[in-house]
Amino acid sequence: IAGITQAPTSQILAAGRRMTLRCTQDMRHNAMYWYRQDLGLGLRLIHYSNTAGTTGKGEVPDGYSVSRANTDDFPLTLASAVPSQTSVYFCASNPGADEQETQYFGPGTRLLVL
Amino acid sequence: LAKTTQPISMDSYEGQEVNITCSHNNIATNDYITWYQQFPSQGPRFIIQGYKTKVTNEVASLFIPADRKSSTLSLPRVSLSDTAVYYCLVGDKGSGTYKYIFGTGTRLKVLA
Repeated sequence: IAGITQAPTSQILAAGRRMTLRCTQDMRHNAMYWYRQDLGLGLRLIHYSNTAGTTGKGEVPDGYSVSRANTDDFPLTLASAVPSQTSVYFCASNPGADEQETQYFGPGTRLLVL
Repeated sequence: LAKTTQPISMDSYEGQEVNITCSHNNIATNDYITWYQQFPSQGPRFIIQGYKTKVTNEVASLFIPADRKSSTLSLPRVSLSDTAVYYCLVGDKGSGTYKYIFGTGTRLKVLA
């Protein structure tokens, strides 16, 4: 069982470049999330999707976009990367239906923007 | 969305019981309280979730008083491998939106 996979594992990116972080889950979960984690700031929600075809903004959405064309995939795009987007990015999902909901996290993508 | 407050860090020794308290004064009626554990270089992992009173599983116990304005995660007999960051979060379940605020968490260090 793969759960959630993220790609790439890590990336060094020049400022101004476009970058898409990939996230795929095989659990048929309805809801998916993107977080960034910075030292001393914990995890902050960037964007979320309650179900395929819908997306919403989290705490820190500026500079990022997402799409949810199907249930399994939830890519995060940085249209023009800036150094402040250097962070560890985590994708997560949950069933979105049960009362006892939990989020399942991927292994993360470490991004360095120079 | 209910904001949570928890201690920045805690130290404990192997074999001791560790209690981490989280305050969430603005918790809403439909909110659940969820705790996650995160090891270095890994994503957070679900530990336990509850709505009121006490919940226990094979990993931890969660104590929630009647007013639900706080909760306490209890880890029995911790080991070195329990060294991690622990996040308390309150889930907004209204209107089908599930936006969880993680905060900075509590960094637990277990000493030998």
